[in-house]
Amino acid sequence: NAGVTQTPKFRILKIGQSMTLQCAQDMNHNYMYWYRQDPGMGLKLIYYSVGAGITDKGEVPNGYNVSRSTTEDFPLRLELAAPSQTSVYFCASTPRQDWLREQFFGPGTRLTVL
Amino acid sequence: GQQLNQSPQSMFIQEGEDVSMNCTSSSIFNTWLWYKQDPGEGPVLLIALYKAGELTSNGRLTAQFGITRKDSFLNISASIPSDVGIYFCAGQNYGGSQGNLIFGKGTKLSVKP
Repeated sequence: NAGVTQTPKFRILKIGQSMTLQCAQDMNHNYMYWYRQDPGMGLKLIYYSVGAGITDKGEVPNGYNVSRSTTEDFPLRLELAAPSQTSVYFCASTPRQDWLREQFFGPGTRLTVL
Repeated sequence: GQQLNQSPQSMFIQEGEDVSMNCTSSSIFNTWLWYKQDPGEGPVLLIALYKAGELTSNGRLTAQFGITRKDSFLNISASIPSDVGIYFCAGQNYGGSQGNLIFGKGTKLSVKP
């Protein structure tokens, strides 16, 4: 198993550009999450999904969109990049919401918006 | 929204010393979790606590779920250089959007050999 994979590892965007951060898991987990981590801070939830076709907003969803067409993939889309979106983005998955002993995080995508 | 206060923010200790850090919340949680994050990596789960009063160990790590359900602490005994990293607490309540994790800001641990 590869676990949770994220691409790209690093990216620099100009203000107003758009991009998609990719996340995939091969553990057949139902729940998937996108977090952002700003310097010196804990993780904040952007969006989450409880299964294919179902997504919902987290704490900081503005400026982002997600889709979940398959169990494996959960891409995060930035439409009009802003400097405030400079952060490290982590994707995570778990089989059940209350089974965090099997929660796995990806290695992260470091995004800079200039 | 819900917030967790994690302290201390950072610690500089000598190898072999014990470490203690804690998290407090203004609201109750059903689950408390402790993670470690190494530079350039995602968080890795260390200990999960599911019951008020629960005391759980994982090697040299011990964590407790506070009786009031509003706090938790993590102890590391006999620290070693590879304990260096950022430790995060997180709380969770089950069900809907409230089932999502709330993270503390982290405790940065530095260990001098």
